[in-house]
Amino acid sequence: GAGVSQSPSNKVTEKGKDVELRCDPISGHTALYWYRQSLGQGLEFLIYFQGNSAPDKSGLPSDRFSAERTGGSVSTLTIQRTQQEDSAVYLCASSLGQSYNSPLHFGNGTRLTVT
Amino acid sequence: SQQGEEDPQALSIQEGENATMNCSYKTSINNLQWYRQNSGRGLVHLILIRSNEREKHSGRLRVTLDTSKKSSSLLITASRAADTASYFCAPGSARQLTFGSGTQLTVLP
Repeated sequence: GAGVSQSPSNKVTEKGKDVELRCDPISGHTALYWYRQSLGQGLEFLIYFQGNSAPDKSGLPSDRFSAERTGGSVSTLTIQRTQQEDSAVYLCASSLGQSYNSPLHFGNGTRLTVT
Repeated sequence: SQQGEEDPQALSIQEGENATMNCSYKTSINNLQWYRQNSGRGLVHLILIRSNEREKHSGRLRVTLDTSKKSSSLLITASRAADTASYFCAPGSARQLTFGSGTQLTVLP
């Protein structure tokens, strides 16, 4: 059974460019989350998808950030016009049901560096 | 949603000793989860304790929950060098979990 897969594992981009980060959750998991972790810091919630419900976008830091989840499976986090402060590890997690009742399964993250 | 606050921020112990980490939160919860993160990796779920439970064990892990004090503790007994990691608590009361800054545990051989 494959776990949560994220790609790419590392991404270096120039300031002002757009980037797309991909997450393949565990098959059958209805909930999918994106978090951001800066060096030595905790996790910052970004966005949450649950089944067919409208996503909870309350954690997105600016309108340069967007995410979608196609067919209830794969998710893509897009950052437009990247800034240096966007440099961080972006973690994706999935769970079988509501997060407060089900453990989250994390991928190993995408390390984004904006130069 | 609410965020747990872990204490201490950093803890360094000798192999074989016990490690205790604490978590405090602000509002009522359905349950509380603990996660571990090794350097450069994602978080790994360790244990979930429900609000009507006071103590739970899993191998060398012991978790307590005191809902009256809005606090939880994670005890790792007979620590090993491989336990070196960051540990996060996640109080569960809403659709999404939020995480604090964690406790960085270093177990010295």
